[in-house]
Amino acid sequence: NAGVTQTPKFQVLKTGQSMTLQCAQDMNHEYMSWYRQDPGMGLRLIHYSVGAGITDQGEVPNGYNVSRSTTEDFPLRLLSAAPSQTSVYFCASSRDRASYEQYFGPGTRLTVT
Amino acid sequence: AQKVTQAQTEISVVEKEDVTLDCVYETRDTTYYLFWYKQPPSGELVFLIRRNSFDEQNEISGRYSWNFQKSTSSFNFTITASQVVDSAVYFCALSPTGANSKLTFGKGITLSVRP
Repeated sequence: NAGVTQTPKFQVLKTGQSMTLQCAQDMNHEYMSWYRQDPGMGLRLIHYSVGAGITDQGEVPNGYNVSRSTTEDFPLRLLSAAPSQTSVYFCASSRDRASYEQYFGPGTRLTVT
Repeated sequence: AQKVTQAQTEISVVEKEDVTLDCVYETRDTTYYLFWYKQPPSGELVFLIRRNSFDEQNEISGRYSWNFQKSTSSFNFTITASQVVDSAVYFCALSPTGANSKLTFGKGITLSVRP
């Protein structure tokens, strides 16, 4: 049982490049989320999903796309990277709406130059 | 809209001191959940506690205790007899009931415990 996994751990992009941050969980959790963490800002919700095929926007969705074709995977796509997207990205999952805790992945540190 | 305020940004204590981390929240929801997470220097997020809004009982877990006061919209966290391993960033967070995937985090408090 690997929990929530994220790849890559580190990534450097040039402005304008696109890439996908991968997130997978093997706990059959319904709910998955993406957050970004910036210094002095705490974590902010980017997008979330309440089940396969269902996604919705969080607090800071601009510049990011998500899809949820399977229960296990919830990739985050940066369409055209900008320096403002330099951040640490965390993926999280929870069993369902009544579940006790969210399980966070180890994070991906992204730098956009 | 939901908001979580952690007014303290950095706290430094000497080992064995008690320390309280403050959390004040705002929400229009009548029911909600409050959380505390710990982020040690290694960077992962560690779940500490979830409290339901209709359960105002204080909770103690070893050296950790939490004081939830709905009347003042506060959910404070006390570490008794702090240890160097408690050094971390601590986040308070809030979510609507039934929407655990939609956490609103405070900006975090950096706690340094000196030997």
